[in-house]
Parts: sequence; structure tokens; C-alpha cells
Amino acid sequence: DVKVTQSSRYLVKRTGEKVFLECVQDMDHENMFWYRQDPGLGLRLIYFSYDVKMKEKGDIPEGYSVSREKKERFSLILESASTNQTSMYLCASSLWPGLNNQPQHFGDGTRLSIL
Amino acid sequence: GENVEQHPSTLSVQEGDSAVIKCTYSDSASNYFPWYKQELGKGPQLIIDIRSNVGEKKDQRIAVTLNKTAKHFSLHITETQPEDSAVYFCAAYQDTGRRALTFGSGTRLQVQP
Repeated sequence: DVKVTQSSRYLVKRTGEKVFLECVQDMDHENMFWYRQDPGLGLRLIYFSYDVKMKEKGDIPEGYSVSREKKERFSLILESASTNQTSMYLCASSLWPGLNNQPQHFGDGTRLSIL
Repeated sequence: GENVEQHPSTLSVQEGDSAVIKCTYSDSASNYFPWYKQELGKGPQLIIDIRSNVGEKKDQRIAVTLNKTAKHFSLHITETQPEDSAVYFCAAYQDTGRRALTFGSGTRLQVQP
């Protein structure tokens, strides 16, 4: 079974802090994704990565950056946390789509509160 | 870019009844449509998916239908059980351009025993 592990289930940080959310997958997936989940808005894509050291902006990248130094690890960085970044953050991974459109596998999320 | 609308936002049914959740998408190039179920405290899990060359797919009590002309697809759950209570998300994907899923806003399904 694919396992996507997010390092923290709950995190509380202060405004202005630099925050790191870590995600690790164990299935050698090429693609990794970071989403933000808010009530009534579904899952919104922040950033994604097709390969090591590659990154692409999603729909809401402002205020975030990412790092992918190793294939299995994808980090989301809040450069200077603000209260409007309080949310549930979900990491996902998938094989390269090709012709088979491989499904995404999700971690259980990190609930981040910015005070 | 792609836009996916999902309705209803909440749905309450009696145990044993059927539940239907509907989604529309905007980009005719989308060719893969997964459905995810998210239980409390967990990440979304894929429950069924359909590709654009298929009109319907069934897996036990769950079915998905796709109408490419109208650009909408639906999730049907028959003989609902309390354990079906969860948030359900539809999504659309195309293997050109961005190559990432676009999700609907989610439906909270409550099955009353």
C-alpha cells in the first residue's frame, strides 16, 4: 500500500514565523502535490512537482514556496506565516500519469493554526 | 483553466436510500474523473474513477456516470449505510497542459440510521 506521511497532524505557529510542512512518500512516485483544504472551497492546489528539484505553481501559490531535494520528500514552506494561512494542508503523490492517469494518494493532513 | 462545480454541498439520506452527487466541468480536454471519499481526520481516498472513453462504471454499491457532451459526471451510491457518511470530492484531470487534478468543493453526506 502506498503511504504518504505528513510529519505533523497539528501545528500552531505565530504570525511572521517561517513554517515548514514536511511530506514523505514511500512508493517512488514522480509527482507530489500540496493542497490546501478550506470548508466550501474544496481542495486547492498550491504547488506541485514532477521530479526532483522541479516545481510548478498551482492555483494559490502566493505566500508559499516548496522544496524537493529528494524524490520521496516534498516540503511546503510558509515564508512569513499569516492568519489567513490557517487551514488544513494535504500532501499527495502519484506515478507519472502517462496513458494510465494514475490516481493520487493523500496523506492524512496537517491542521495548521497561525495565531 | 479547468473549473469543477459540485452539488449539493450537503446531503442527508436515510439508511438504505440512494444518494447522488453531481459535478460539472468546463474544459472539454479533461479525460479522467476520479471520486474521493474523506472520512473525519483522514486524507481523501480514491473510491472510483472513470475515463472519458467510458460512459458508466460500477463497483458494488457505487457507480459513476459521465456525459461528455454535457460535461457532467455523477456519483451514485445505492443502499446507503452509516459508514458511507463522509465528505465526497469529484475531480477532473487532463494529460495535457498542467496535468494536475482540479477538485470540486465537496459534498458532506450524512446517512441517518
